[in-house]
Amino acid sequence: AQSVSQHNHHVILSEAASLELGCNYSYGGTVNLFWYVQYPGQHLQLLLKYFSGDPLVKGIKGFEAEFIKSKFSFNLRKPSVQWSDTAEYFCAVNAGDKIIFGKGTRLHILP
Amino acid sequence: EAQVTQNPRYLITVTGKKLTVTCSQNMNHEYMSWYRQDPGLGLRQIYYSMNVEVTDKGDVPEGYKVSRKEKRNFPLILESPSPNQTSLYFCASRELAGSTDTQYFGPGTRLTVL
Repeated sequence: AQSVSQHNHHVILSEAASLELGCNYSYGGTVNLFWYVQYPGQHLQLLLKYFSGDPLVKGIKGFEAEFIKSKFSFNLRKPSVQWSDTAEYFCAVNAGDKIIFGKGTRLHILP
Repeated sequence: EAQVTQNPRYLITVTGKKLTVTCSQNMNHEYMSWYRQDPGLGLRQIYYSMNVEVTDKGDVPEGYKVSRKEKRNFPLILESPSPNQTSLYFCASRELAGSTDTQYFGPGTRLTVL
């Protein structure tokens, strides 16, 4: 069955720490991959996406993600987090016509 | 301004009382979706529509109906709501063109079924 797995449900970091959030997907076909962010009380916003080409994609606010096809992974990274990065992060895959989201990772940045 | 609107934003209702949540987009997108968001479960797709009069079940369609009579509108219908449908609902419009695949989300509708 198609699925998206996010390894960390809740991450707490101090400002300036480096961040990596894991995402693995299960789908046999061609995929488009996404990371979304949801700030408290707001709707989802697209951080970055991968369709093809360079497996290292850069998004907004200094985020990047690397697609590793052999590992079915699309991990999100940021070298130095800020307090304003406190939010929930969702990995998503388009599996054919459907879109499947992971369960989300709550990121809490300590000032 | 490109946007997806949903109404109402907040709704408290009782079991069995039919309700409709409206969704409208002004971007002329063909693909629209409804999701529900529950703590610890992320977003789950309820229904999606790839064009007018074309709708398909997502992962959690039970208890919901949708219609797509015009491209801009995609209402979500709960014929007989139950407490397990208490959730935060998002409508989304999806731009699919060439190498573009971007979803635009509405502001959400928080539904409580008593």
